[in-house]
Amino acid sequence: NAGVTQTPKFRVLKTGQSMTLLCAQDMNHEYMYWYRQDPGMGLRLIHYSVGEGTTAKGEVPDGYNVSRLKKQNFLLGLESAAPSQTSVYFCASSFSGTNTDTQYFGPGTRLTVL
Amino acid sequence: AQKVTQAQTEISVVEKEDVTLDCVYETRDTTYYLFWYKQPPSGELVFLIRRNSFDEQNEISGRYSWNFQKSTSSFNFTITASQVVDSAVYFCALSGSILTGGGNKLTFGTGTQLKVEL
Repeated sequence: NAGVTQTPKFRVLKTGQSMTLLCAQDMNHEYMYWYRQDPGMGLRLIHYSVGEGTTAKGEVPDGYNVSRLKKQNFLLGLESAAPSQTSVYFCASSFSGTNTDTQYFGPGTRLTVL
Repeated sequence: AQKVTQAQTEISVVEKEDVTLDCVYETRDTTYYLFWYKQPPSGELVFLIRRNSFDEQNEISGRYSWNFQKSTSSFNFTITASQVVDSAVYFCALSGSILTGGGNKLTFGTGTQLKVEL
């Protein structure tokens, strides 16, 4: 049981390049989330999904797009990367979307934009 | 608005010392959950504990213990007899805000870096 996995683990982009981060979970969770972690700021929610085929904006969605074509996968896209998007990106999933439920996190993707 | 404050940016202790990590939260919700996550040097986020707002009993798990005090809006984490393997960043988080259309937004503190030295 792998839990939540993320690919790639590391990536370096040049300004203006695009890329997609993949998150996969094998726990049959309905809800999935993308966060970014920046020094001194904790984790902030970028986008989330409440089920297959749905996506919604979190608190810092600008510059990112997401898709949830399959229940187990949640993709985060950067269409035109900017240095401000240098960060560590975490995917999380939970069985339900209530505040009683625990979110389980992937190992993170460290992205550097030059 | 919800807020989680971890005022201790970094703590250094010598192995076998006890250490307490502070967490203070703000919320208007009457029902909410508090979490602690550990982020070791390898970078992943490891879930440690979840506590609901109606249960103020302290919890102990091995060398870890948590003290939840609603009166002071605090959810502190104590490691007894610390070990080098406890070196990590520890995050306190608060749930309770249900997002539009569903989903649960966690509000994280900025984390406390714990360094345990020999």
